Amino acid sequence: GEDVEQSLFLSVREGDSSVINCTYTDSSSTYLYWYKQEPGAGLQLLTYIFSNMDMKQDQRLTVLLNKKDKHLSLRIADTQTGDSAIYFCAENPPTSGGSYIPTFGRGTSLIVHP
Amino acid sequence: NAGVTQTPKFRVLKTGQSMTLLCAQDMNHEYMYWYRQDPGMGLRLIHYSVGEGTTAKGEVPDGYNVSRLKKQNFLLGLESAAPSQTSVYFCASNTLAESYEQYFGPGTRLTVT
Repeated sequence: GEDVEQSLFLSVREGDSSVINCTYTDSSSTYLYWYKQEPGAGLQLLTYIFSNMDMKQDQRLTVLLNKKDKHLSLRIADTQTGDSAIYFCAENPPTSGGSYIPTFGRGTSLIVHP
Repeated sequence: NAGVTQTPKFRVLKTGQSMTLLCAQDMNHEYMYWYRQDPGMGLRLIHYSVGEGTTAKGEVPDGYNVSRLKKQNFLLGLESAAPSQTSVYFCASNTLAESYEQYFGPGTRLTVT
């Protein structure tokens, strides 16, 4: 398909690890992103990875990139109730006009149970 | 810096009425975007602008118009509102440097009855 795909829901227990997966579409995307949206708010960048990297770690967050399979994942270690939110995967392929216009997945709702 | 601001935060329209949503950013960003967010649909791009005086259509442009007369402002217009335009509208902006990270406004919740 032509859409950025991600599962719609993930439920975990507090303290466990969460893994959110994404399949993107365009191998020419320079950056791939994870955005977080808390209830009633706009999206905020959580982390990103440059396309020539396989992994990026930032405190409790680990991003893995498999360019061959166009697969991106976000692992949150020691998940807390404050991590409950919607997580969006995004790519930024170049357009024919030389712009970079992001394409978002539908978002994964992460629910963290105490 | 205020970042990206949107006006108004909430609005209720009757079918056929018109309105304009205002987005402003104080980060001197070149690119600006309007999205709509509907349950289960994620973010869908309505229109975008790569610079002052330029606009382009996104994925779902029908029923909307936009203008970017000043670099810091991006206006979204609904000429004749329809119930299908009930949604949450987000504005975003970014620069062409570094990671092209987008900065989002807080959203406008629009209901068309």
